[in-house]
Amino acid sequence: EVQLVESGGGLVQPGGSLRLSCVASGFTFNTYWMHWVRQAPGKGLVWVSRINRDGSTTTYADSVKGRFTISRDNAKNTLYLQMNSLRAEDTAVYYCARERDYSGYDHWGQGTLVTVSS
Amino acid sequence: SYELTQPPSVSVSPGQTARITCSGDVLPRQYSYWYQQKSGQAPVLVIYKDSERPSGIPERFSGSTSGTTVTLTISGVQAEDEADYYCQSADSSATYWVFGGGTKLTVL
Repeated sequence: EVQLVESGGGLVQPGGSLRLSCVASGFTFNTYWMHWVRQAPGKGLVWVSRINRDGSTTTYADSVKGRFTISRDNAKNTLYLQMNSLRAEDTAVYYCARERDYSGYDHWGQGTLVTVSS
Repeated sequence: SYELTQPPSVSVSPGQTARITCSGDVLPRQYSYWYQQKSGQAPVLVIYKDSERPSGIPERFSGSTSGTTVTLTISGVQAEDEADYYCQSADSSATYWVFGGGTKLTVL
């Protein structure tokens, strides 16, 4: 069974940092592109970042570029999102998602809540 | 950057057909995807590559495309279909991805 389990969320002050993790199981992790998607309370889904199979190619939404870094450790079947210089508007549930080649996100994690507040 | 535009809400009675549209200039050149999100849950893929249905998704869910608009159609709507629906696509190089603003489907 495919599983994606996020962790690392919590309360952080503006300007602070957090690192989210997403542990994958039930599939060959290094054969899939992976994404982070976020959802502010009561709002819609927003794409955040994407990473290719070996971690050599990454892209970011303009709203997080220069502040967030996506990475992966294929030996540990784990996806990461390092979030620096956090702002109140980064408050959201963060989901990791598996991209099936040109077929959308066929599996999502349960999400982890990040709250940026003083 | 680019945008995908969805109506904020659609309401239908049980057994009727619901149609949710998504408009964007990139849609003639890139595949679209549709996700269902029920309250408090993670999204679920219901349509990929404009009109393909993942295994386990009921046949009443279908997708179509016409120019810069894609449409999710739910035939014979059931109470359990009440949810938020999001379209998604990518830019012309498939580098940047975007979601529509979401449509709340209410089953009256």
